[in-house]
Amino acid sequence: DGGITQSPKYLFRKEGQNVTLSCEQNLNHDAMYWYRQDPGQGLRLIYYSQIVNDFQKGDIAEGYSVSREKKESFPLTVTSAQKNPTAFYLCASSIPTGRFYGYTFGSGTRLTVV
Amino acid sequence: AQSVAQPEDQVNVAEGNPLTVKCTYSVSGNPYLFWYVQYPNRGLQFLLKYITGDNLVKGSYGFEAEFNKSQTSFHLKKPSALVSDSALYFCAVSLLNNAGNMLTFGGGTRLMVKP
Repeated sequence: DGGITQSPKYLFRKEGQNVTLSCEQNLNHDAMYWYRQDPGQGLRLIYYSQIVNDFQKGDIAEGYSVSREKKESFPLTVTSAQKNPTAFYLCASSIPTGRFYGYTFGSGTRLTVV
Repeated sequence: AQSVAQPEDQVNVAEGNPLTVKCTYSVSGNPYLFWYVQYPNRGLQFLLKYITGDNLVKGSYGFEAEFNKSQTSFHLKKPSALVSDSALYFCAVSLLNNAGNMLTFGGGTRLMVKP
């Protein structure tokens, strides 16, 4: 079955440590997105990529980095510069052109600083 | 710029009663409108969308939404609420631009259905 997979489901980070969240899709979608969600809150866009080898900053990119070397993969690195990284992270994908069906979301990664 | 507003942080309804979750939007063109639902510790799931055609759109789990162009609204409705409908609901709007379609999400509305 086609879908979008985020791993790990839970991740613990020590202070000053970089961690990478994985997002893989087999939907042949061109665009991929990373969102941050704080408890009981809405979605805030971190980064997005509409084509391989290209990505754009979203509203809260500081302290995060991404790469898009393959169409299927869009990993997010939470760097030590992100001072408050504890949150729920959601990855999504879409076909942004033509008949638009919206986004498909992964099941999320919960990151906790310990 | 496009925007979406969900004016209620939380909606409380008794099981069996009808429910409405409100959404208004602002775009300079013909919008694509979406509703998503999020259960605890899960990703967002697609409920329904309006692209064109009938103003009343039917979606998953018995939900429907009515597109009202004059009021720029796209309220989510269900005739009879279930306890299992309790979740976080997001409205989203998209407009086609040079980069393709990209969604703007509302802040979310928590629906609490009490037995």
